[in-house]
Amino acid sequence: EAGVAQSPRYKIIEKRQSVAFWCNPISGHATLYWYQQILGQGPKLLIQFQNNGVVDDSQLPKDRFSAERLKGVDSTLKIQPAKLEDSAVYLCASSLPDRVYSPLHFGNGTRLTVT
Amino acid sequence: AQSVTQPDIHITVSEGASLELRCNYSYGATPYLFWYVQSPGQGLQLLLKYFSGDTLVQGIKGFEAEFKRSQSSFNLRKPSVHWSDAAEYFCAVALPDNFNKFYFGSGTKLNVKP
Repeated sequence: EAGVAQSPRYKIIEKRQSVAFWCNPISGHATLYWYQQILGQGPKLLIQFQNNGVVDDSQLPKDRFSAERLKGVDSTLKIQPAKLEDSAVYLCASSLPDRVYSPLHFGNGTRLTVT
Repeated sequence: AQSVTQPDIHITVSEGASLELRCNYSYGATPYLFWYVQSPGQGLQLLLKYFSGDTLVQGIKGFEAEFKRSQSSFNLRKPSVHWSDAAEYFCAVALPDNFNKFYFGSGTKLNVKP
């Protein structure tokens, strides 16, 4: 099966600019996650979708971050305006939402550098 | 506070030596437990998972992990490390009362000496 696709792989922007990341999950995976991974840390959940509805966005900095999954498939994550501390790898993951905690399948991530 | 702890930030082992990476969790109920591996520039790949039953679980690439309820631990082991195992390893938990919500430890970076 095709894996989770993310683009772009790398992005360099200046602070206060905006940026968007795209994710296409594995076909049939209704649950989609965006994680932020700062260098030297584990992934931190930003937002979780179930189909096109938000399940958890408690750790999403909503003053600058937004995410959508309009048709319950692809998703975009946007940062506007970016800050230096947003430099990180942004990982998209998907899973089957069955009762036996389906493991996460990750994309290769987008490495964002804010200068 | 609820947490997943990986106490070793970096570990270096010689090729062919055995490996144990530690993971401890602090949650009220027994969570579902996972180990993931991340090679440079890549996403995370699932090594193994524990839901219930036999406390020793086998995973891919020759890895295994043992769940010890009394110690709230889920340590990852491999009897003989290969140079290709050099990567970062993450322990993760999913809580029974939280729909598919995963929490990750801070990771252990494994270096393998020839």
